[in-house]
Amino acid sequence: RKEVEQDPGPFNVPEGATVAFNCTYSNSASQSFFWYRQDCRKEPKLLMSVYSSGNEDGRFTAQLNRASQYISLLIRDSKLSDSATYLCVVNVGNTGKLIFGQGTTLQVKP
Amino acid sequence: GAGVSQSPSNKVTEKGKDVELRCDPISGHTALYWYRQSLGQGLEFLIYFQGNSAPDKSGLPSDRFSAERTGGSVSTLTIQRTQQEDSAVYLCASSLAWTGAGELFFGEGSRLTVL
Repeated sequence: RKEVEQDPGPFNVPEGATVAFNCTYSNSASQSFFWYRQDCRKEPKLLMSVYSSGNEDGRFTAQLNRASQYISLLIRDSKLSDSATYLCVVNVGNTGKLIFGQGTTLQVKP
Repeated sequence: GAGVSQSPSNKVTEKGKDVELRCDPISGHTALYWYRQSLGQGLEFLIYFQGNSAPDKSGLPSDRFSAERTGGSVSTLTIQRTQQEDSAVYLCASSLAWTGAGELFFGEGSRLTVL
C-alpha cells in the first residue's frame, strides 16, 4: 500500500461547480497534513495546511479524519484558474519527512 | 531573489556519465529536501536533511545516488553512472521548521535527460 494515495482523476468540472478530493494515508502516527497545488511544468506551492478541526480559506475547505486516515479538500465556486494538480502531503510519523501523493488533476471548463 | 535556487535548470547527459545537481536553499532554513518527478507522476521522496542530524536517505533509489549538505546550507545531489530511467525533474525544497514538518518552498527544479 502506498503511504499516500489519491485518485489521479482528471476531474473535469464546469465553472461554478463544487468539487471534492480525498486522500488516504497509511501511517496512523502522522501529524502534519497539507494540500499543495502544482501548475503545469511548475514547482508545487502550498495551498493550505490541514488542521484537526478542519479549516477554511476562502473557497477552499480542508478536513482531516484521523479515524479513517484521510484528508479532503473541497473547492466551492470553481474558477478557470483553479485548473491544476492538487497534491496531498503527509509527514511520516512525527518526523519532518514529507510524502506526496501522486496528485489529482482538476480541469475547470467555461 | 531570496527563493530556493537550483542549478543547472536543464542537463542532458549520456548514459553512464555522472551528474551533479545543486540546491541553494532559502537563508536560515534548516530543513532541505530532494524529490524527483517523472513526467506525469507525483513527487518521489529521495532524501531529507534537518539541521545537524543524520539525513534520512530512505528514498534514494540505488547506491548510485548520494547527496551532501555542506555547512548546513548548499546541497549537492550526485547521480553516478546515469541510466535512462534517471531522467526526471529533480526538485529541491527547504523549510524553516526545526522539528516536525512545515511549509516547503521549492526551487524550479533541474530537468535531467539521460540519452
